[in-house]
Amino acid sequence: DAGVTQSPTHLIKTRGQQVTLRCSPKSGHDTVSWYQQALGQGPQFIFQYYEEEERQRGNFPDRFSGHQFPNYSSELNVNALLLGDSALYLCASSLAVSSGANVLTFGAGSRLTVL
Amino acid sequence: RKEVEQDPGPFNVPEGATVAFNCTYSNSASQSFFWYRQDCRKEPKLLMSVYSSGNEDGRFTAQLNRASQYISLLIRDSKLSDSATYLCVGDGSSNTGKLIFGQGTTLQVKP
Repeated sequence: DAGVTQSPTHLIKTRGQQVTLRCSPKSGHDTVSWYQQALGQGPQFIFQYYEEEERQRGNFPDRFSGHQFPNYSSELNVNALLLGDSALYLCASSLAVSSGANVLTFGAGSRLTVL
Repeated sequence: RKEVEQDPGPFNVPEGATVAFNCTYSNSASQSFFWYRQDCRKEPKLLMSVYSSGNEDGRFTAQLNRASQYISLLIRDSKLSDSATYLCVGDGSSNTGKLIFGQGTTLQVKP
């Protein structure tokens, strides 16, 4: 039973560049959420995708965008990278039904370093 | 003020000790709460849900006090393998998978 898989695991970019992170949800899950975790902090909610649409969004600028595909997988895109975007980016999947909505399964994350 | 607040620690305790973590939340409309465990450079994993009636899972006991907007986690008979960061989490008054995480409390259990 595959859990949540994310790629790449690590990457290094320079300021101003763009990055795309990928996530495949746990089998049977239909909702994907993305979180940013800076060093020494808890994860912060970026946005959530369901039925290929952004369903809700946290307090992140428009430089952060995403997409969900028909197979429920998702991408997170960040444009015009800043040093402060360096973080662990976590993808979490869940079921949209209310009983499962808050039961998240996290992937191992993509660690982004911006130089 | 952060919506979910925790003392970051670190808490350094000897094996076998009992340790308690506390967490406060500011959104009185929050419905569900959780404790997650995160090992160094790994993803968070659900440790347990938190109910007003309290719940226990082996050596771990979680409690929710809605009147004080306070959540606790008690670990009895600490093991070396309990060393990790413990994240207090609320649902921010929604049941949609948008979770609000505290900063985390670091526990180091020493032999």
